Amino acid sequence: DIVMTQSPDSLTVSLGERATINCKSSQSVLYNPNNKNYLAWYQQKSGQPPKLLVSWASTRESGVPDRFSGSGSGTDFTLTISSLQAEDVAIYYCQEYYTTLWAFGQGTKVEIK
Amino acid sequence: EVHLEESGGDLVQPGGSLRLSCAASGFTLSSHAMGWVRQAPGKGLKWVSIIVVDGRTYYPDSVKGRFTISRDDSRNTLYLQMNNLRVEDTAVYYCARSPGATAADYWGQGTLVTVSS
Repeated sequence: DIVMTQSPDSLTVSLGERATINCKSSQSVLYNPNNKNYLAWYQQKSGQPPKLLVSWASTRESGVPDRFSGSGSGTDFTLTISSLQAEDVAIYYCQEYYTTLWAFGQGTKVEIK
Repeated sequence: EVHLEESGGDLVQPGGSLRLSCAASGFTLSSHAMGWVRQAPGKGLKWVSIIVVDGRTYYPDSVKGRFTISRDDSRNTLYLQMNNLRVEDTAVYYCARSPGATAADYWGQGTLVTVSS
């Protein structure tokens, strides 16, 4: 089974500053026939269900602000919030869908300094 | 508009059973893979089961043999039958749509299952 490990577990950033969350998979989630990384990022605010932000490692979902960006390939991925806003306080999860076993990272809590 | 609404969560004793439902609207359930994801209090997300378009189902070892995912195409509803429940199954259970068994693009609000004596 694939294991997803995020770092850091928590992050405190000033408003307007950059926040960077890392995600490492125990095996590659790059599917060579289509050259796509089967990796998603979700945002979960307190008391709410998760919300899909990024799929295919770097494709932002419709309506997601462009301050959110995903990057990486193979086993190492990053979610960047370029200019943190108050409404971005949440827990962020990466998830692989390379297998039908859907492994999630443990989550990274983002707070305002 | 796509909408998912879970129901069926309750307080149940260890060893008991429960069936969760997820009513879908705004799309045809059978045209997408669908999954259940749970979140224990204060913890992260854990996948519980998935049913793909052709009806095949998948489970992690932690629930295999105890949980069964199914769907009723006539009701456009997804189910999760949970048997032999354990204290560690206590969680909010979310259903989620997964186009092509990829990223989950729509989620319900969740239903709380509490397993306690």
